[in-house]
This record gives sequence, C-alpha cells and structure tokens, in this order.
Amino acid sequence: QVQLQESGPGLVKPSQTLSLTCTVSGGSISSGSYFWTWIRQHPGKGLEWIGYIYYSGSTYYNPSLESRVTISVDTSKNQFSLKLSFVTAADTAVYYCARGLTTVARWGHFDLWGRGTLVTVSS
Amino acid sequence: DIQMTQSPSTLSASVGDRVTITCRATQSISNWLAWYQQKPGRAPKLLIYKASSLESGVPSGFSGSGSGTEFTLTISSLQPDDFATYYCQQYNSFPWTFGQGTKVEI
Repeated sequence: QVQLQESGPGLVKPSQTLSLTCTVSGGSISSGSYFWTWIRQHPGKGLEWIGYIYYSGSTYYNPSLESRVTISVDTSKNQFSLKLSFVTAADTAVYYCARGLTTVARWGHFDLWGRGTLVTVSS
Repeated sequence: DIQMTQSPSTLSASVGDRVTITCRATQSISNWLAWYQQKPGRAPKLLIYKASSLESGVPSGFSGSGSGTEFTLTISSLQPDDFATYYCQQYNSFPWTFGQGTKVEI
C-alpha cells in the first residue's frame, strides 16, 4: 500500500532554512488523483496547514508562511519537499507530509499521512 | 481565515458512552469539513470527510453531521481504542484550518 515517509535534519539553527523531503512509496506521485501537502504541529498544540503541491508543480501556500515557504516535487524520485527559510524557535514542530484526493468535488481533506518528523530550531 | 472552535476541549467518558464533539466555524463552510483522530506520538487519521462521509475502514460507530457553521462528531459507543484527540478541519476556503482539538479521556 502507499506510504509516506518524511526525512531531513532534526535540528536547524535559527535564521537557517529547514529542508524536509517526503518519499512516496507504493504508488506514483504523478497520479493526477492526488495532491501532496505539508502540515505541522507545534509541541502539544494543534495542526497548521503549510501548503500543497500537485504533480504538475502547481502550489498553494498558507499566507501566514507564504513568504518563507517553498514546496517542490521531484517526480523522478517520487518525492516532494518543503523548504522553510529564516526559521525561529516558533518553527519547532512535528512536520507531517500527507496526501489528499483531487477526484472529489472539493480538494482539501487528507486521507494518508506520514509518521511525522520533529524539527527543533535551536542554536 | 476561517477559525474553527471545538468544544469541549477535554471530555471525560467511559467505555460504552455515547460521545459528541462539536466544531463551529466563524463563517459558513457548507459541508467541507473533515474529522481526524490522533493518538499520542502518531499521525492524525482521517475519520470523516464532507461532514458526514465515513472514510473507508473507519468503524461505523463514528458519524458526522452538520452544515454551514456547526458540525458534530459522534461516537455511538466509546471503545478503548477511541481514547484519543479529535480534530476538525475546514477545506471550504484557503487557508485550510483545523480546530484546536478535543481530547477524549477516561
């Protein structure tokens, strides 16, 4: 079955760029039936949607993070990635990659999630 | 942004109880609402989408209802595996936003 797996550094210094990759296994990221997204969860807190990408490369970001976020896709590697620049301690969170269906009347719910990876911003 | 507010924040219940969680939106979201279950150290799991559609593989004891600005998630008979935190999420408009969560505990 399809699985998502996040990878990347668990510790990032303030003002640097957080970079994470989500590897999709058991299915093709190029399927037009899905979009691919990043969501984060601050320690002990709720969930915050970061942005999504379609296999074609089209993206949409949360305006609260848009100036610092880039989501990209590498269909040859079946991966999509998150870059968050100029990080501060407020960006410390568990970062999840997830999948959503496009074959529905309205995109926006997430039917498959990765296990998540904790990223700590600290010097 | 559309703000999603869940109530209660914490709910104490026993096995076999009928449990209802409410989610309110600051403006109408039609029926573009999802519910997720999250256990400690785990990723959220989709339970319900489009307010009342049960995700494949989710036990029939879970149900969702509502439209516009008020929604409910009901667990008909609480099972030991159901003790978790539940989140609602709207996808009517960007940015997609989540409620703050409801922890269901013993």
